[in-house]
Amino acid sequence: QGQLAQSGGEVKKPGASVKVSCKGSGFTFTSYGIGWVRQAPGQGLEWMSWISVYNGKTNYVEKFQGRVTMTIDTSTSTVHMELRSLRFDDTAVYYCARDMLPYKTEASYAMDVWGQGTTVIVSS
Amino acid sequence: DIVVTQSPVSLPVTPGEPASISCRSSQSLLHSNGFNYVDWYLQRPGQSPQLLIYLGSNRAAGVPDRFSGSGSGINYTLKISRVEAEDVGIYYCMQALQPPLTFGGGTKVEIK
Repeated sequence: QGQLAQSGGEVKKPGASVKVSCKGSGFTFTSYGIGWVRQAPGQGLEWMSWISVYNGKTNYVEKFQGRVTMTIDTSTSTVHMELRSLRFDDTAVYYCARDMLPYKTEASYAMDVWGQGTTVIVSS
Repeated sequence: DIVVTQSPVSLPVTPGEPASISCRSSQSLLHSNGFNYVDWYLQRPGQSPQLLIYLGSNRAAGVPDRFSGSGSGINYTLKISRVEAEDVGIYYCMQALQPPLTFGGGTKVEIK
């Protein structure tokens, strides 16, 4: 089935950057895509972006394009998501989630394995 | 972007009774392959979301058969045949047809 383990919580100042890591295990990491979903305090789920570990393709919500960079480290089966120019309203729990199907060329279908979430607090 | 709207926002339920959540999208979620690209997720309190239903009506691994999904085009429904205490949480539908993927606002299911 597989597991995703995320990095620990972060506290950052406005204008700074944060990098959240998502390490996969128990599945063929290089065959799947990883999506990022965030949840502000007391709010619903917001899909942010997606990267295919298989072929490097990416999709973004337009508002995050230019502020989010996703990178892949296949040697450690880890995807990193960096969010720059942090604002107070970026305070949220950030989740990574694995595609249910491998070899996808864009974000679609379902996400069946989720990380435990990483809390990012933006505070002055 | 495809807009997804859920109702109701809050759903008090009695254990053993059925429950139903609706999801409507701003455009059809029918893929050219004939499947409806809508998923349902449950987020229990303090937990990560978990996949319940994919492609509109397929239960994910380990999901009890009291959960069922139906619908086509722009209208979808998640039904719980007999609610149990462990079913409390927030249910989200998500359109999985095209990026950016979008979630409904969520339905909070709580026990009366």
